Formats: sequence, C-alpha cells, structure tokens
Amino acid sequence: EPEVTQTPSHQVTQMGQEVILRCVPISNHLYFYWYRQILGQKVEFLVSFYNNEISEKSEIFDDQFSVERPDGSNFTLKIRSTKLEDSAMYFCAHGRGDRTYEQYFGPGTRLTVT
Amino acid sequence: RKEVEQDPGPFNVPEGATVAFNCTYSNSASQSFFWYRQDCRKEPKLLMSVYSSGNEDGRFTAQLNRASQYISLLIRDSKLSDSATYLCAVNQAGTALIFGKGTTLSVSS
Repeated sequence: EPEVTQTPSHQVTQMGQEVILRCVPISNHLYFYWYRQILGQKVEFLVSFYNNEISEKSEIFDDQFSVERPDGSNFTLKIRSTKLEDSAMYFCAHGRGDRTYEQYFGPGTRLTVT
Repeated sequence: RKEVEQDPGPFNVPEGATVAFNCTYSNSASQSFFWYRQDCRKEPKLLMSVYSSGNEDGRFTAQLNRASQYISLLIRDSKLSDSATYLCAVNQAGTALIFGKGTTLSVSS
C-alpha cells in the first residue's frame, strides 16, 4: 500500500499555542481520518473526512480542533490553544472506501506540549 | 462508543512457539474487523482483515465469530521479528476504527 506522509515528524509547542499537523494522502483515496494515541494508551479516533466534509467526529474532537483540505491535496489538523493533555502521536489514515474498509496509517506526528 | 477488549498480555514466548490473541467487541453492528501490528512509537500497520470464513496469510490465521462477537489471531512458528503490539480494530462500513488497547508479544531466542 502506498505511503501517506505526515509533517512534521515531531512538534514541540508551548501550552496555549496553535499547531497545524499535515498529511499528504494518496489522491485516489476517498476517506481520510485523524487518530491520536497518548503514550501507553489506545489509538483513538478524532475525525473522518469524506468528499471534503467532516463525515464523523468523536467526543474528543471539540471546538479546539479543526480539519481542512486547503489545496485539494494536503490534509491538515489544527489544534488551537494546545493543552498539556494534547501531547500524543497524531496519525493520519486513509481508506479507499471500497468494501474492504481497510485503513492505512501514516507515520504520525509526535506532538509534545510543554 | 462501545468498546473493543483484548487479552492484556504481555505474551512472552520462545521462537517457534504458536501464540493466540483474542479480542471481543461489544457493538453487534460492527461490520469490518482487522488486526494491526504496532512497533514501539510507530504507526499501526495493517496485518490482516478478518473475514467471516476465517483467513490465513502465511503463519498468521484470523478467525471471526459473529455470534460471540469474538476475533482471534493465531501466529505459528513465532519469529523474533514478530515481537510487537497487536491491535484489534473494528468498524462499521468505513467509519471510525475502534481499537483495543493491544496485546504485547515478545518472542525470545
């Protein structure tokens, strides 16, 4: 399966700052997702994006978060006013949306909020 | 949201051993089932989808029991390189994956 790239690989930010995490998915995939994994915990769903709209979001995905596809290719997750508890690995994933419903994860961005 | 539960682990086995992981899911509407492998501080990598009839990929065999809402993964002839955390995940028709906490496998020589 072709790779999804994510940038940056590691982001350190101060509490209260805004961060933008980027993902470059494969263009022929229909479904895009953001997940996070706090160290030592399970992978948690944040939001899914289909046809340039949010299709589903979790309770975690509150007003602090937003997603965009600003140029039709890159896919961004913005976290406004970061908190210490936002420190986690953030994974972008994509799916073809075919009957397999398989999702493939990017390498992730490690976000550290100090 | 309903949960996915996995064996707590860790599983420590010698090379060549056969090891089985179990996973239960609580949402009976779940439609798709997966096993992922995750190495330390890396992304989950899809190991295999789990089909109703069961499926095999080399040394790996996955089984699904919809009635019991139970998924399993069997690894035969364990290799050192199989050491990782194995994540069970379920979803409904392309929606969010719901993951278990994972089971850690350590294969030793």
